This record gives sequence, C-alpha cells and structure tokens, in this order.
Amino acid sequence: EAQVTQNPRYLITVTGKKLTVTCSQNMNHEYMSWYRQDPGLGLRQIYYSMNVEVTDKGDVPEGYKVSRKEKRNFPLILESPSPNQTSLYFCASSLNQGIGEKLFFGSGTQLSVL
Amino acid sequence: EDKVVQSPLSLVVHEGDTVTLNCSYEVTNFRSLLWYKQEKKAPTFLFMLTSSGIEKKSGRLSSILDKKELSSILNITATQTGDSAIYLCAGHSDSNYQLIWGAGTKLIIKP
Repeated sequence: EAQVTQNPRYLITVTGKKLTVTCSQNMNHEYMSWYRQDPGLGLRQIYYSMNVEVTDKGDVPEGYKVSRKEKRNFPLILESPSPNQTSLYFCASSLNQGIGEKLFFGSGTQLSVL
Repeated sequence: EDKVVQSPLSLVVHEGDTVTLNCSYEVTNFRSLLWYKQEKKAPTFLFMLTSSGIEKKSGRLSSILDKKELSSILNITATQTGDSAIYLCAGHSDSNYQLIWGAGTKLIIKP
C-alpha cells in the first residue's frame, strides 16, 4: 500500500531533550516536506527536500534540522526542543512538487514539549 | 508576500444543506490551487485546479477556479455528517516549489 509513515504518533518530552520524528515513503517520490499545524495558522512548512541530499528551509525552520540521505526517508530532528515547538507535525511527499503534484501526508505526530 | 485566505473560518449547517467555501490567493507565479479535506489527522487531496472556469467534480463536491478574481470556491451539496472536517486550500507557486496554505475552514454538519 502506497503510504507515508510517520513515527511516533504522539510524543511528550521535556525542554532540551533531543528528539527525532521519522518519516518514510514507499512511492519513490522525489519531493518530501515537513509541516507544523497550529490552531488558526494552517500548515506552515518547516523544511523540504527536492531530492536526495537536497534540502531547503521553509517558512519556519528555526529550531529544526532535517536530512535526506536516502530517497525514502526524511527525518525531522529537534536538537533542543522548546515549549513553542508543541504542535501537530506532518510529513508529506509527492512525485515532483515542481509541477504542483498533490501531496500525500503521513498520519501526523502530536508533539508536546513541557 | 504570498498569501492564501479562506472564508469563513468556521461554518455550522444542517445535514442536507449546500455550502460554499471560499479561497482567495495572492501567489507569485501562480501555477495551481489545491483543496484538501482534513478529518481527524492527515489532510487528503480533493482537487487540483489549474485552468480558470473549468469545474472539477467528485460526487457531491465540486470546485472551480477564477484566475481573474484570484479565487476558488468549493461547493458541497446535500451535506452529510461525514463532510464535517477542516477544508484547506493551498496555492502553488512556480517559482519556489512551495505551497502557500490557507488557515482552513472548519465545517460542522449537524444531523
């Protein structure tokens, strides 16, 4: 089944404790992206990747890191989480975002930073 | 600055009603507009619109793009409780590979 898999679904952590949210897609998509969603603000892009070893900042990259060593995986790293990073996070992928292809979303990760 | 604005922010109607959701955009080098439905967690794709005036339809849902007015509407006829969701629209720019998202319209259908 074609899908984007995110883990974990829920995560509660404390300020400053490094964490990684994993994202994997099995559709051989070139484009992958991370979003956060906060009430009233819609989806805001954190980072995106057009292909392996190519990553770029989105609208809200501060406090986050990503890597794209393999086509299928695009982990999101929070080196020192803070409470303002409490949010719902989505990973998404598409065949080629350059031509407006529809995105496939993961199921989301609800992160709480205490 | 590019932006997408959706209205209304929330809407409560009764089952069987018809609703119209609005999306206006200011997107540099606009390429397409996309609609998504978000029920519990992950948004799911509804429509992608690239040409003005051509209606896209899927069952009771339909959408159309007006490039002159820089806007799009999403219509849902004979609403059902299963249509309750947040509806998101996003503008796609040719110039920077990013989607610019609206804040969403929260639609609640009462039985």
